[in-house]
Amino acid sequence: KNQVEQSPQSLIILEGKNCTLQCNYTVSPFSNLRWYKQDTGRGPVSLTIMTFSENTKSNGRYTATLDADTKQSSLHITASQLSDSASYICVVSDRGSTLGRLYFGRGTQLTVWP
Amino acid sequence: EADIYQTPRYLVIGTGKKITLECSQTMGHDKMYWYQQDPGMELHLIHYSYGVNSTEKGDLSSESTVSRIRTEHFPLTLESARPSHTSQYLCASSVTDFVNTEAFFGQGTRLTVV
Repeated sequence: KNQVEQSPQSLIILEGKNCTLQCNYTVSPFSNLRWYKQDTGRGPVSLTIMTFSENTKSNGRYTATLDADTKQSSLHITASQLSDSASYICVVSDRGSTLGRLYFGRGTQLTVWP
Repeated sequence: EADIYQTPRYLVIGTGKKITLECSQTMGHDKMYWYQQDPGMELHLIHYSYGVNSTEKGDLSSESTVSRIRTEHFPLTLESARPSHTSQYLCASSVTDFVNTEAFFGQGTRLTVV
């Protein structure tokens, strides 16, 4: 069964600190993996997208890694800001259908305290 | 900022009422999607469309229906709302190849049925 598991479920850190969010998946055949940021009451916004051949990709203070062999990804946030408080969702796409079926994790709820 | 809009943002309605959630995008995307998301849970695909006059049911069974008469418009209708329909509904769109391109999400409609 295609699944996406994220950890931790929730995380509280102090402003300025770094943190790493984890994503494990069993989606096959794998196409790509996206990290989305979802602010409360809003739709998800894409942070990064990684294909099979990519190991790391950065977007400002966000750095995503991908190990396609172990089917693991991480999202590292450096020098956290209050505005980073949100849910971070790992989304994996397969390439077994025209739709490019997306499988969503439940998200990690990050809270940044001043 | 993505050009995909959902209305209303919030809706509180009585049991048995008929409601239509609106979703419009101005990007000319052919693929559009409806997702349902309960608090702290993952997004579940309930409907999708490949283009005009194309609609399909998603992974999660839903009593709602959709239509796609125009490329830019993908409304979702509940003929008789029930408390079990209380949830957040997210609309998304993408160009033909969802696999390698980004999906853009609307800000969502928070539906409460009392």
